[in-house]
Amino acid sequence: DQQVKQNSPSLSVQEGRISILNCDYTNSMFDYFLWYKKYPAEGPTFLISISSIKDKNEDGRFTVFLNKSAKHLSLHIVPSQPGDSAVYFCAIYTGTASKLTFGTGTRLQVTL
Amino acid sequence: DAGITQSPRHKVTETGTPVTLRCHQTENHRYMYWYRQDPGHGLRLIHYSYGVKDTDKGEVSDGYSVSRSKTEDFLLTLESATSSQTSVYFCATWQDRGLSGYTFGSGTRLTVV
Repeated sequence: DQQVKQNSPSLSVQEGRISILNCDYTNSMFDYFLWYKKYPAEGPTFLISISSIKDKNEDGRFTVFLNKSAKHLSLHIVPSQPGDSAVYFCAIYTGTASKLTFGTGTRLQVTL
Repeated sequence: DAGITQSPRHKVTETGTPVTLRCHQTENHRYMYWYRQDPGHGLRLIHYSYGVKDTDKGEVSDGYSVSRSKTEDFLLTLESATSSQTSVYFCATWQDRGLSGYTFGSGTRLTVV
């Protein structure tokens, strides 16, 4: 039973355009959501987060949107840059001990 | 992150042999986690620890055990390695405050032949 789903395994976007990465979750009780970025041969790094009391959080070129009624999370990157090419994971806090449950990831490629 | 070191970075081992992966942190974080990353599955939690000698199972714990005798070290042991345990293993830590999630190590690539 997958609690967090990223239905697009890959996405290709031209430099300068907007990248939109999507994530769906199953449990309306989840209250904190995060995005991580991962480059090859490195560990994931925290990118941006949002709590369920908000519907938008912005940090520079990165904006996360939360649609609680649809149980949908999205990450917008504007403008996209070649250095944004990476795998992006959405994650939610579940259960005790602050365990994070991750989606399957979306590989973003930003082309010149 | 320089505060989390995983060793070894790469390992090839034979089926049936025991393997231990080490995670060492200098952050004095209370919580530590072991994840594995596989294509199509993302990151899945194997085991986690909420303090010295306090550990619990994650969603894919079969075939794995862990130990935490000191705050800074969290060991993951594959009792008898199988080919299905070929994966990239990540250790993560979290202090029980703040909302920026985990800090991850650089990973260990394990191949079981």
